[in-house]
Amino acid sequence: AQKITQTQPGMFVQEKEAVTLDCTYDTSDPSYGLFWYKQPSSGEMIFLIYQGSYDQQNATEGRYSLNFQKARKSANLVISASQLGDSAMYFCAMGSGAGSYQLTFGKGTKLSVIP
Amino acid sequence: NAGVTQTPKFRVLKTGQSMTLLCAQDMNHEYMYWYRQDPGMGLRLIHYSVGEGTTAKGEVPDGYNVSRLKKQNFLLGLESAAPSQTSVYFCASSYSRQGVGETQYFGPGTRLLVL
Repeated sequence: AQKITQTQPGMFVQEKEAVTLDCTYDTSDPSYGLFWYKQPSSGEMIFLIYQGSYDQQNATEGRYSLNFQKARKSANLVISASQLGDSAMYFCAMGSGAGSYQLTFGKGTKLSVIP
Repeated sequence: NAGVTQTPKFRVLKTGQSMTLLCAQDMNHEYMYWYRQDPGMGLRLIHYSVGEGTTAKGEVPDGYNVSRLKKQNFLLGLESAAPSQTSVYFCASSYSRQGVGETQYFGPGTRLLVL
């Protein structure tokens, strides 16, 4: 069975600083993908970044980067130069290659950016 | 290009009433999904479809039915609503499941309150 754990219910960061949101995962499948989604207060789910289990390099998308440590089974999201608009819930999710079609989500981390 | 849309945005039902949630996507995606999101939890998959005319159960299918008569539409039905079905419902779609890197794109969500 797949499992995603986000241990930080809430985080605060000063504007313009970097912040790391933690995500650990558990799967027995050697082929899997890790996703991060942002959910602002308006409610929509916004795709941020993806990392494949066989990718050699950590994924980056603008100010977002994924710190992928396969041996530790962690896929932490790093947001550089935080902006007020980054205040939102952030969800880590995993899809496996074992014939499962669903994404398994963590419970999320609420990020608040302080001016 | 509207992406994924959901109708209605908000609905209040009485226990025992029925309703249908409509999801539409204009990205020609093969795969469509229905999730529910409850407070303090991530998203959980209710049902999904891998193509027109097909449906399958996800993690929490009880009390729901789905239909995919047209490729662009995915309907979620509640035959006899219960208070436990009070939730926010998200529809998502993806182009395919070629490997694990296929991103799911989400609709804006439907807030359902069952009294």
